[in-house]
Amino acid sequence: ILNVEQSPQSLHVQEGDSTNFTCSFPSSNFYALHWYRWETAKSPEALFVMTLNGDEKKKGRISATLNTKEGYSYLYIKGSQPEDSATYLCAFGSGNTGKLIFGQGTTLQVKP
Amino acid sequence: NAGVTQTPKFQVLKTGQSMTLQCAQDMNHNSMYWYRQDPGMGLRLIYYSASEGTTDKGEVPNGYNVSRLNKREFSLRLESAAPSQTSVYFCASSEALLWLGVNQPQHFGDGTRLSIL
Repeated sequence: ILNVEQSPQSLHVQEGDSTNFTCSFPSSNFYALHWYRWETAKSPEALFVMTLNGDEKKKGRISATLNTKEGYSYLYIKGSQPEDSATYLCAFGSGNTGKLIFGQGTTLQVKP
Repeated sequence: NAGVTQTPKFQVLKTGQSMTLQCAQDMNHNSMYWYRQDPGMGLRLIYYSASEGTTDKGEVPNGYNVSRLNKREFSLRLESAAPSQTSVYFCASSEALLWLGVNQPQHFGDGTRLSIL
């Protein structure tokens, strides 16, 4: 059974703080690592898809890094805003199967 | 552009009843997926379809059947609903072809909240 672990489970920060959270995944048979943002009462929305060791992706104030050899990815949010409040999911793609294994998510609450 | 559309949004069933959850996408995507989301469990794959006419089991397929009748539509059927199937169900699609695998993002519908009494 492939496990994808995210930490912390939840996080409360003040507006303007920078924050980061972790996704750990199996280091063997890696194919892709996805990050999704999931706002309450909406559907998950793709942020990044990363496929190469050392990949770094950026979208506005949000960025992500990837280490496939040790099996982890970090998501960073610089200068958090209340609208960043959401659950952030990572998902691991193993081999060329088209299937993703999702982590349980990190729920971020940004206080104004 | 509607993206991925799921119907119904809410449904309450009695144990033993059957129902079909509908999903349609207008992005000409090849792959479609059904997930369930339970508290503390994250999204778990029930079934997926890599192309029209093909389906394959995911992590939690027991108690469900699927149909991919055309490229747009992928339905999920509960033949005899059980309380353990109370969940929020998400349909998703992606451009992924077999040889592209998981390097394409998935696009999700708004979910179907299903309660089984």
